[in-house]
Amino acid sequence: EVQLVESGGGLVKPGGSLRLSCAASGFTFSSYNMNWVRQAPGKGLEWVSSISSGSTYIYYADSVKGRFTISRDNAKNSLYLQMNSLRAEDTAMYYCARDLMVITSSLGMDVWGQGTTVTVSS
Amino acid sequence: SSELTQDPGVSVALGQTVRITCQGDSLRRYHASWYQQKPGKPGQAPLLVIYGKNNRPSGIPDRFSGSSSGNTASLTITGAQAEDEADYYCNSRDSTGNRWVFGGGTKLTVL
Repeated sequence: EVQLVESGGGLVKPGGSLRLSCAASGFTFSSYNMNWVRQAPGKGLEWVSSISSGSTYIYYADSVKGRFTISRDNAKNSLYLQMNSLRAEDTAMYYCARDLMVITSSLGMDVWGQGTTVTVSS
Repeated sequence: SSELTQDPGVSVALGQTVRITCQGDSLRRYHASWYQQKPGKPGQAPLLVIYGKNNRPSGIPDRFSGSSSGNTASLTITGAQAEDEADYYCNSRDSTGNRWVFGGGTKLTVL
């Protein structure tokens, strides 16, 4: 079964740090670009960051650039998001999601984890 | 522009057809994908329902279809069912082609 399982969420004070993990199984993780997407309480989806299959290409939303770092370990079938200088507005459910690859084009995100909750509050 | 605009809410009578739209400059160049997310359950992950020109992942009913014209992408549900009541999000590349962007979401109510 193709599966993504996030972990590492929790309660952190403003200015603090947290590292999220996403464990992949059931597919060849090293062949896929991966993403982090978040959803604040009662709000819509917001793309956070993407990383290519071999970590060559990395992109961030302006809202997290300079504070968050995406990485992956293909040997461990794992995706990570290091979050520093956290703010109240970073409070959200964080999902990892797999790019849907058709030939060489990414056409969406076809596999999603159940998410991990990050709460930034004093 | 890197924005995708959706109507906040749409309603449809049971069994009727509804179209949910998404507007953005990047849609002139890139296809939209569409996601269904059912509220009320914590951590209910989005479900991809349409991608590319008009493709459905395995398991998605054929009452869901996609189309595009100019800067507008549309998701059509033909014969809406009660279980289709959900939030729907469009998603596409931004103008650089490197980053993803989501629309604000449309809440679909089935009457």
